[in-house]
Amino acid sequence: QVQLRESGPGLVKPSETLSLTCTVSGYSISSGYYWGWIRQPPGKGLEWIGIIYHRGNTYYIPSLKSRVTISVDTSKSQFSLKLSSVTAADTAIYYCAHAEGFGELTPYYFDYWGQGTLVTVSS
Amino acid sequence: DIQMTQSPSSVSASVGDRVTITCRASQGITRRLGWYQQKPGEAPKLLIYATSSLQTGVPSRFSGSRSGTDFTLTISSLQPEDFATYYCQQATDFLFTFGPGTKVDIK
Repeated sequence: QVQLRESGPGLVKPSETLSLTCTVSGYSISSGYYWGWIRQPPGKGLEWIGIIYHRGNTYYIPSLKSRVTISVDTSKSQFSLKLSSVTAADTAIYYCAHAEGFGELTPYYFDYWGQGTLVTVSS
Repeated sequence: DIQMTQSPSSVSASVGDRVTITCRASQGITRRLGWYQQKPGEAPKLLIYATSSLQTGVPSRFSGSRSGTDFTLTISSLQPEDFATYYCQQATDFLFTFGPGTKVDIK
């Protein structure tokens, strides 16, 4: 059973960089297809941020592409999210997840999710 | 970019009711669509992938279908644990989009 757990600061100051790590257990991240980040502002809907292939290929939502970096460390079974120059609009619950693509060559849904971590941007 | 709309935005229903939620894609996405259930304070849970395939462990009262660019999630007989918000989601060319969600609450 794949398990994911997000970790990182719960409070980030405006203009600084948000950094989160997702630790994967019960599954080899090296053979795990794609891994992604999704966020959810309080009381609002889900927004996909980006995904990374275990070999390092990354894809990001265009609206955040200039500020987002997702990386993977297979030796630690972790992948990470960095979001620079944050503002209050980046306050959200951040989820990491495993992306799958049954029957297709590329991923198109998320089958395993972490429990999420709330990040608040405030001075 | 492909946009996803959902209707209704909310629905009030009773236990035992049949509930249908529709998701429309702004352009063709073949069968690359999933449905998620989210309860307050919890992470989303995958219910259906590939338009109509039931994720392991999900009750058979949930089903999915497609007609053109319209996708439907049906709960055949609503149970108390089904009161939640439901999201559709597609991905094409490595761009993922969620629908705005449909809240199912108690009538």
